[in-house]
Amino acid sequence: DAGVTQSPTHLIKTRGQHVTLRCSPISGHKSVSWYQQVLGQGPQFIFQYYEKEERGRGNFPDRFSARQFPNYSSELNVNALLLGDSALYLCASSLRTGARTGELFFGEGSRLTVL
Amino acid sequence: AQKVTQAQTEISVVEKEDVTLDCVYETRDTTYYLFWYKQPPSGELVFLIRRNSFDEQNEISGRYSWNFQKSTSSFNFTITASQVVDSAVYFCALSEVTSGTYKYIFGTGTRLKVLA
Repeated sequence: DAGVTQSPTHLIKTRGQHVTLRCSPISGHKSVSWYQQVLGQGPQFIFQYYEKEERGRGNFPDRFSARQFPNYSSELNVNALLLGDSALYLCASSLRTGARTGELFFGEGSRLTVL
Repeated sequence: AQKVTQAQTEISVVEKEDVTLDCVYETRDTTYYLFWYKQPPSGELVFLIRRNSFDEQNEISGRYSWNFQKSTSSFNFTITASQVVDSAVYFCALSEVTSGTYKYIFGTGTRLKVLA
């Protein structure tokens, strides 16, 4: 079975541009969450979606948005990119939502560099 | 406020030594889950263990063991007889649900280097 897949794996953007990152969860998983990991830090929670509805949001500005599609895949969008948005963006899938979910299954991430 | 603290930023040990990674958490919830994840150089976080706030039974799984103590809000992780392949960044994480909203908080990680 395929794990969590993310695309693109690497990308370079300039300040002010927009980026869309994509994630396909493990088959059968209905929950997708997004994390930002700046170099040398732990992952920071951005969003969680379950059954196409937002179920959690971290402390990120409105420039960050996401959605989940009927096939449970997800997109993370970041507008008006800043240098500080440079990071590894991780997607994780799980069977359900909330603390009872158990473990998260992570993809290898999309590394975004903003110049 | 919810918080996970991993005071050890980097630990180096020689192969076959035992090593303990510390994790201290803060939460106001009575129901929560604690996790350990491993992040090898490839970047993908790998799940190691989950514990809920009502289960303080410690566990041993192969060379890994965990010590959960609610009285000190600690959830420490020990690798016995460490191997070079254990070299990675290890993250402790806290998961809780408040008013139906999910939240998952990671510590800053401990980089473990196991030297041959």
